[in-house]
Amino acid sequence: DSGVTQTPKHLITATGQRVTLRCSPRSGDLSVYWYQQSLDQGLQFLIQYYNGEERAKGNILERFSAQQFPDLHSELNLSSLELGDSALYFCASSVGDFNYGYTFGSGTRLTVV
Amino acid sequence: GDSVTQMEGPVTLSEEAFLTINCTYTATGYPSLFWYVQYPGEGLQLLLKATKADDKGSNKGFEATYRKETTSFHLEKGSVQVSDSAVYFCALNSNSGYALNFGKGTSLLVTP
Repeated sequence: DSGVTQTPKHLITATGQRVTLRCSPRSGDLSVYWYQQSLDQGLQFLIQYYNGEERAKGNILERFSAQQFPDLHSELNLSSLELGDSALYFCASSVGDFNYGYTFGSGTRLTVV
Repeated sequence: GDSVTQMEGPVTLSEEAFLTINCTYTATGYPSLFWYVQYPGEGLQLLLKATKADDKGSNKGFEATYRKETTSFHLEKGSVQVSDSAVYFCALNSNSGYALNFGKGTSLLVTP
């Protein structure tokens, strides 16, 4: 157990729908990062939050959004889902906002049908 | 922009063979370099890291040396085990960014 908890582990939904993925960071970590892993694109950085504030954005689509709450857990919202959004979504956390290596969760596998 | 290039897999080795997985990078400034490992059905785990030139990261028998002159961070292990079968990712974090840039990953299969 890495200490980073992601729920749900699996999610199957239809095109056009909206889903929410949840992440609880390791105790004491203030930064949360979201990544998308797909066979063709590899691991793509989506977004980072540090202590409740957005800190960096990567290749995140406008249909996707995220937030980090006062208790430091984070949610990634994916809307108007398309088949191409099917992927593994990983959350990672670290102590500070300068990266010396993250701790990853075990991921949420999203399948859009 | 900053990027990492890994050798393509899959790599198949017999148990106790020597392993090298090549990784080269392109970055401005002086990035930190990492190797992560992903076992089937799991998230990525930090295997080792190096934060400056000539540093050697090591863990669980794996080693990698940060070579600035060749912009490389090759992963090596002297004697692989079946339990080392996994996907290995090279990554960098540039001083100007907060995210890790990952390579495509190299799948390793070790057979008895």
